[in-house]
Amino acid sequence: SQTIHQWPATLVQPVGSPLSLECTVEGTSNPNLYWYRQAAGRGLQLLFYSVGIGQISSEVPQNLSASRPQDRQFILSSKKLLLSDSGFYLCAWSAVIAGNTIYFGEGSWLTVV
Amino acid sequence: SQQGEEDPQALSIQEGENATMNCSYKTSINNLQWYRQNSGRGLVHLILIRSNEREKHSGRLRVTLDTSKKSSSLLITASRAADTASYFCATGAWGNDYKLSFGAGTTVTVRA
Repeated sequence: SQTIHQWPATLVQPVGSPLSLECTVEGTSNPNLYWYRQAAGRGLQLLFYSVGIGQISSEVPQNLSASRPQDRQFILSSKKLLLSDSGFYLCAWSAVIAGNTIYFGEGSWLTVV
Repeated sequence: SQQGEEDPQALSIQEGENATMNCSYKTSINNLQWYRQNSGRGLVHLILIRSNEREKHSGRLRVTLDTSKKSSSLLITASRAADTASYFCATGAWGNDYKLSFGAGTTVTVRA
């Protein structure tokens, strides 16, 4: 069966510091990978998605970037965090063989102080 | 962009009652999915309904889809305290259904 791991679970970072959130998927090959952000009490905003290694699409202009160095690894980064980057970040995957349902990780709480 | 919009924003019911929430969307879709999110956790997929389907059941869940009205409903029957969560609808567009657009969700509180 497929599993998704996302870490760290919580993070408190000062303004201007770098960020790295990591996500890995097991049990499937060539998944689509996603990073979503959820502000408190709000819906999900798609930040990045990837259909293959090195292929990243950005949905909104922002202070963040994403990379996919391996087939089942997706990384969300920032060189200098802003206060507005605070939120709940969710990694997710989908695959045609899984009916294109999107499956989420447990999320990472980021607080920029 | 956020296409699905859930209604109501919040719902409080007594254990054993049914909970109904609605989702409206704007453009043509390939499928519509419902997710549940417990506080501070990731989203859990509940059910997917395709654009050529009108109704689907899964346990105590019943989802309907009316593409002419661009709307869907999620019914939870005989609610339990464990159903307390936020519920989101997400739409997948034709030719692009690997990207889902999420609404802001309905927060359901089931009182014991």
